[in-house]
Amino acid sequence: DAKTTQPPSMDCAEGRAANLPCNHSTISGNEYVYWYRQIHSQGPQYIIHGLKNNETNEMASLIITEDRKSSTLILPHATLRDTAVYYCIVRLFSGGYNKLIFGAGTRLAVHP
Amino acid sequence: EPEVTQTPSHQVTQMGQEVILRCVPISNHLYFYWYRQILGQKVEFLVSFYNNEISEKSEIFDDQFSVERPDGSNFTLKIRSTKLEDSAMYFCASSPGLVIRSDGYTFGSGTRLTVV
Repeated sequence: DAKTTQPPSMDCAEGRAANLPCNHSTISGNEYVYWYRQIHSQGPQYIIHGLKNNETNEMASLIITEDRKSSTLILPHATLRDTAVYYCIVRLFSGGYNKLIFGAGTRLAVHP
Repeated sequence: EPEVTQTPSHQVTQMGQEVILRCVPISNHLYFYWYRQILGQKVEFLVSFYNNEISEKSEIFDDQFSVERPDGSNFTLKIRSTKLEDSAMYFCASSPGLVIRSDGYTFGSGTRLTVV
C-alpha cells in the first residue's frame, strides 16, 4: 500500500470549514484514498473514500487532485465533536478484505 | 446502525496470565480483524480472519496470540501468556464481502488491556 503524508496537527474554529491535506505521491492506479477518524480512544470511524472523482457524503467531502498525488478532506462546518485524529489511507480495494495501515494522522482541534 | 461489539471494555490481568478478548462482528460481514493501539502510538494491524482461518497476520501476532470464531457469531483474540508490553487498546473490526460500493469497514469501541 502507498505511503501517505499528513501534517501532525491543525486547528479550526467551530463553524468554519476544516481542510485536511494528504499527500500520496506514490499511489497506484487501482488504489483508493480512504479517510478515517479516531475520536479520543474510540475505534476508528470510516468517513469517506474515492478513486479519482470528488466525493461527498453526509460527513465530509473528498477532493482528489487530477494526478491523484494528493487529496483534501473537507469538513464543511466543523463542530467541537469533530476534534479527532484524522487518517488518510490508500488501499487497493473499496470493499472486502484489506488490512488498514494507519499512519500518525492529523490531530484536528476544533475550538470555540 | 449495525455495530461491532467488544467485551469487556477494560481488563486488568497479571503478567503471565491468559486473556480472551471478545467481539461480536456485524452479522452479515465476512472478514474479521484485530488491531491494537499502544497508548500514544499508531493503530497497528494484528490479524485478519476469513472463512474460519487466518488470511493474514503481522509480525506482532506471534505464537502467544490466537484467534477463533467459536460459534458463528463471536470472534475472539486470545493472548496465552500476557507480557507488560501487551498493554494496549485492542480493536476488533469487520468488513463485508467484495461486492459492495461503500466501505462498510466497522470498528468496535475497543478493549483496554492492562497487564500488571
